[in-house]
Amino acid sequence: GDSVTQMEGPVTLSEEAFLTINCTYTATGYPSLFWYVQYPGEGLQLLLKATKADDKGSNKGFEATYRKETTSFHLEKGSVQVSDSAVYFCALSDPQGAQKLVFGQGTRLTINP
Amino acid sequence: DADVTQTPRNRITKTGKRIMLECSQTKGHDRMYWYRQDPGLGLRLIYYSFDVKDINKGEISDGYSVSRQAQAKFSLSLESAIPNQTALYFCATSDLKGDETDTQYFGPGTRLTVL
Repeated sequence: GDSVTQMEGPVTLSEEAFLTINCTYTATGYPSLFWYVQYPGEGLQLLLKATKADDKGSNKGFEATYRKETTSFHLEKGSVQVSDSAVYFCALSDPQGAQKLVFGQGTRLTINP
Repeated sequence: DADVTQTPRNRITKTGKRIMLECSQTKGHDRMYWYRQDPGLGLRLIYYSFDVKDINKGEISDGYSVSRQAQAKFSLSLESAIPNQTALYFCATSDLKGDETDTQYFGPGTRLTVL
């Protein structure tokens, strides 16, 4: 079945550091790919998405590119802020599979001032 | 007001008790989902519903049941709670039509503890 694997956390960085959170997937068909973010005490919010190969999703300074050849969707940000501290989830949705989301295990990010 | 609400936000109960978690949405979406979140496991799908008459099992439906009372309401029940059902539960919705059918919108979660 479909699956998503994220880099293990937790990740701790200093403010203004460069961030990469790795995500790879296994899927039949052509899934859409997502990054969701969960701030402390809140539900998940969509951060960005890409629906086909080579698409780049971007939002709030975060970017991720849909790489079909490496089955990856790595999340990057050039300069993180304390307010970026959260848990980040990579996910896929198979358009042929009733739009169900399959999530990675989540990566907890802490940014220190 | 939040588009997707869940009640209660926190619940502590005992083994064997029946528990109902409720979800309401004002987004007008047809599709609704229940997930549970466990540390290190991400979110796993329990049940989903594409309209009032359509209920489907997800990855981990054993021990749970659901009811879609209306387009806007989707309840999750634990008929006889057990400790390994202690988790954070999320409701989500998505649109059936338009350009954003693959995007799900989540409620704030219900933290359930079974003693």
